[in-house]
Amino acid sequence: DAGVIQSPRHEVTEMGQEVTLRCKPISGHDYLFWYRQTMMRGLELLIYFNNNVPIDDSGMPEDRFSAKMPNASFSTLKIQPSEPRDSAVYFCASSLGPAGGDTQYFGPGTRLTVL
Amino acid sequence: ILNVEQSPQSLHVQEGDSTNFTCSFPSSNFYALHWYRWETAKSPEALFVMTLNGDEKKKGRISATLNTKEGYSYLYIKGSQPEDSATYLCAFRDDYKLSFGAGTTVTVRA
Repeated sequence: DAGVIQSPRHEVTEMGQEVTLRCKPISGHDYLFWYRQTMMRGLELLIYFNNNVPIDDSGMPEDRFSAKMPNASFSTLKIQPSEPRDSAVYFCASSLGPAGGDTQYFGPGTRLTVL
Repeated sequence: ILNVEQSPQSLHVQEGDSTNFTCSFPSSNFYALHWYRWETAKSPEALFVMTLNGDEKKKGRISATLNTKEGYSYLYIKGSQPEDSATYLCAFRDDYKLSFGAGTTVTVRA
């Protein structure tokens, strides 16, 4: 298996623009997680899906952020409009089961820079 | 936000020496404790998932112990090698989501 795939790997955009990050989880994994990594807050969970349904989005910073999972093999994280403080590395992870005993496998991340 | 603390924040080890560091977490509502290894410019890689008090896990020269009653886990590296240089993250699970610590960055000097 290719592992969790994320695209793009790097994104540079200007403030106010829409940004869409993409994730393909490992086939057969029922759980998908979006994380954001910053120097100030470390690695924090934004939202997670179970069987394509969003379960907990309490970590999404504000209404400018939205995430979808239209099918089992694809998820997007959208920021509209983007702001410089959104600059971070965004990771997608997937697992067979919930975060308890099951290992989460992380993608390579998307480094977002908002100018 | 759950209080997951790792100490020290960073450490330097001479090649061949052994080392260990700590992850502290809430002792209530415990489901699992995860350890990840994170190299610069790569994605976090799972090392261990520990669920039972007294658990000990081992992978090569790296091992971990778990004390859920007092809320801590130790990770040990025996005979450190330069390739062990990385940030080691622990993550505490309560019910369904992981809360990550800030990590311990290990630098092994040849």
